[in-house]
Amino acid sequence: QQQVKQSPQSLIVQKGGISIINCAYENTAFDYFPWYQQFPGKGPALLIAIRPDVSEKKEGRFTISFNKSAKQFSLHIMDSQPGDSATYFCAASSGSRLTFGEGTQLTVNP
Amino acid sequence: GAVVSQHPSWVICKSGTSVKIECRSLDFQATTMFWYRQFPKQSLMLMATSNEGSKATYEQGVEKDKFLINHASLTLSTLTVTSAHPEDSSFYICSATPTVPSEKLFFGSGTQLSVL
Repeated sequence: QQQVKQSPQSLIVQKGGISIINCAYENTAFDYFPWYQQFPGKGPALLIAIRPDVSEKKEGRFTISFNKSAKQFSLHIMDSQPGDSATYFCAASSGSRLTFGEGTQLTVNP
Repeated sequence: GAVVSQHPSWVICKSGTSVKIECRSLDFQATTMFWYRQFPKQSLMLMATSNEGSKATYEQGVEKDKFLINHASLTLSTLTVTSAHPEDSSFYICSATPTVPSEKLFFGSGTQLSVL
């Protein structure tokens, strides 16, 4: 599988702070970049996604920034809340076949 | 949003037995379903792609005879772990995409398999 590299592996943020997770990809054929949120013992849930013709997408407190030339994209969580504590996965696809990043364990302290 | 139901949510079995996991798309038809495996604190690894009415396509390193996949209808795919061993213990997750071309994948809630 083509790799998608994700960092950091874990992240601790204070309530109200900004959480930033970064991903980099190799395959220029990827044309869809979703982020998933996963709670323990549950399947991943789509959070937000972007296509490479857009440099930024915002939905509520969640923003994706996309840099096509650098082949990088990131997730920003504004005003982070304890309920945001979960594992976040970036992914990339060409068609329906997703390649996932390694995941980031986010902990938001009250 | 679209719902994918996965059953059972957890199962414990003895070594050498077989376990079947079901994945159903409840409110849409899915020509393609995917099966993933996830070890603790690790990412999802694609095991196979399941297309309705045809044989599944397995990823490199995944044993076809051990992980039997059947996708007999547009709303149901099953994964059978045959002759399970403790190293097969893992979290198995399915996902489905609607028949209308869509990049969106909807995930099941996962099945935790523990083989004793």
